[in-house]
Amino acid sequence: AQRVTQPEKLLSVFKGAPVELKCNYSYSGSPELFWYVQYSRQRLQLLLRHISRESIKGFTADLNKGETSFHLKKPFAQEEDSAMYYCALTSGSARQLTFGSGTQLTVLP
Amino acid sequence: DTAVSQTPKYLVTQMGNDKSIKCEQNLGHDTMYWYKQDSKKFLKIMFSYNNKELIINETVPNRFSPKSPDKAHLNLHINSLELGDSAVYFCASSQAGVNEQYFGPGTRLTVT
Repeated sequence: AQRVTQPEKLLSVFKGAPVELKCNYSYSGSPELFWYVQYSRQRLQLLLRHISRESIKGFTADLNKGETSFHLKKPFAQEEDSAMYYCALTSGSARQLTFGSGTQLTVLP
Repeated sequence: DTAVSQTPKYLVTQMGNDKSIKCEQNLGHDTMYWYKQDSKKFLKIMFSYNNKELIINETVPNRFSPKSPDKAHLNLHINSLELGDSAVYFCASSQAGVNEQYFGPGTRLTVT
């Protein structure tokens, strides 16, 4: 069965500090990994996906198959980054997303 | 020009009632989904549906049923509402061959 684990429920950093949101997954095949973000009272939106290997809003995430991880990183956090972040994977014909439990990031001034 | 829309945004109802939440997407996608976000913000897939198959998460009670009048709509009907059904329900859609999903704004259901 596929599973996504985000060990940190809450994470606080100061503005300008580096931030890393951890994500580990378990899946027997080759999943596709995503990070979704939910700003306060807004809909979920895609932040980035591993296959595109791009940086969005200064965030990057590298898929490490050996460690089965897909951690989200940003070198200098901004207050507007405060949000709930979900790591997710999808696989198979159904393309259903399996989400981690989410990490609430708070960037302090 | 909203891509994925849901109505209503808020729904307050009593236990035992039957209610529906509507979802529409104007992206031309072929697959639609329903997710439940509980009070701890945990998101869980309930259904995925395209014109060929409905896949139901086995943990979803059969009081929940998706209904799709056409490719652009996937409504969620809930019978005999229970207190534990209180949550935010998100609709999403995606296109064949592309795993990125687009989410609606959510419907906050409160059962009293």
